[in-house]
Amino acid sequence: NAGVTQTPKFRILKIGQSMTLQCTQDMNHNYMYWYRQDPGMGLKLIYYSVGAGITDKGEVPNGYNVSRSTTEDFPLRLELAAPSQTSVYFCASSYPDGRWSTAFFGQGTRLTVV
Amino acid sequence: AQKITQTQPGMFVQEKEAVTLDCTYDTSDQSYGLFWYKQPSSGEMIFLIYQGSYDEQNATEGRYSLNFQKARKSANLVISASQLGDSAMYFCAMREGEVDMRFGAGTRLTVKP
Repeated sequence: NAGVTQTPKFRILKIGQSMTLQCTQDMNHNYMYWYRQDPGMGLKLIYYSVGAGITDKGEVPNGYNVSRSTTEDFPLRLELAAPSQTSVYFCASSYPDGRWSTAFFGQGTRLTVV
Repeated sequence: AQKITQTQPGMFVQEKEAVTLDCTYDTSDQSYGLFWYKQPSSGEMIFLIYQGSYDEQNATEGRYSLNFQKARKSANLVISASQLGDSAMYFCAMREGEVDMRFGAGTRLTVKP
């Protein structure tokens, strides 16, 4: 049981480049999330999805886009990368039942924009 | 406004002793959930313990317990019999509504041998 899988683990981007962070989960969770973690800080919610075809903005969505075409996959797209997007990105998913379900996290993607 | 406050940037504890990591939260909802996660130096986020706002008893998971004081809006994590492997960042989080989970800034715990 792989859980939540993110790729790549590390990436260096030049300013203005674009990339997609991949996230897939095999737990049949309806809810999926993208967070960023800046150095020495907690996690901030970028986007979330409550099911295939449904996405919504979180606390810090500017500069990012998402899509959810299947239950399993929730890619995060960075357009025109900026140094402020240097961060560690976490994808997470949670059970569909109950508001208090625990979020399970992927291993994270460390992104540096230079 | 800060939803989750962790006032201890760093804590030290002697191996085999107990330690309390503080967490206070701010919400006007009656129904919410509180979580603690551990982040070791390898970077992954590991779920430790959960407390629902309507739970009357404090949550416990092995050596972890959550000291939930609803009137004070605090949800402190207690780790008993600390081990060297407990050295990590610890994050308190709160979920209001269906998906909005907010995290505190974290506390770095160092266990001394």
